[in-house]
Amino acid sequence: DADVTQTPRNRITKTGKRIMLECSQTKGHDRMYWYRQDPGLGLRLIYYSFDVKDINKGEISDGYSVSRQAQAKFSLSLESAIPNQTALYFCATSGGQDALDTGELFFGEGSRLTVL
Amino acid sequence: GEDVEQSLFLSVREGDSSVINCTYTDSSSTYLYWYKQEPGAGLQLLTYIFSNMDMKQDQRLTVLLNKKDKHLSLRIADTQTGDSAIYFCAASSASKIIFGSGTRLSIRP
Repeated sequence: DADVTQTPRNRITKTGKRIMLECSQTKGHDRMYWYRQDPGLGLRLIYYSFDVKDINKGEISDGYSVSRQAQAKFSLSLESAIPNQTALYFCATSGGQDALDTGELFFGEGSRLTVL
Repeated sequence: GEDVEQSLFLSVREGDSSVINCTYTDSSSTYLYWYKQEPGAGLQLLTYIFSNMDMKQDQRLTVLLNKKDKHLSLRIADTQTGDSAIYFCAASSASKIIFGSGTRLSIRP
């Protein structure tokens, strides 16, 4: 089983609909992230969380919200989806910034969202 | 904030060396990374280098870091068809990791 699991893997929806993408991890990491990938733009950070009570905006948080339900769960919501939110979304985790940690991110397999 | 830039495409002949270049802007970046993304998959860490190092070698992979010019490169020796993927340069910045646009490496027979 994957250490970082995203659901759904694929979703097609219509403009104006509410969408939730879920992420769960079994790595025991404190830090979780949501990125979106667009061709030619790489990965851009949407939101990140360093523990259950900590939520931070990334580069492109407008139009998105997140919830850190537990250490192992971090969900991303689009309250009213629009076509330019069509992208591949990745959840990632990291162990933190202690002396032995390199900050390596561990990624899920991605959730492809299409907004018509 | 941090900006990481890399070219979008690279095509090499099988057996040749591939060199993927990257520049970044935040001189305080502690770690610089190379991630690999194969089709239909998430990203996986390929290698990383600590900012106080100039070079790191791991089998066919060589990472060079020029901290003065904020330039990072990844050399893949004896490139094989299995190396076809998108390679992302990334830099640590203020407790976050910022990614470049990714370089799509294609291999010619």
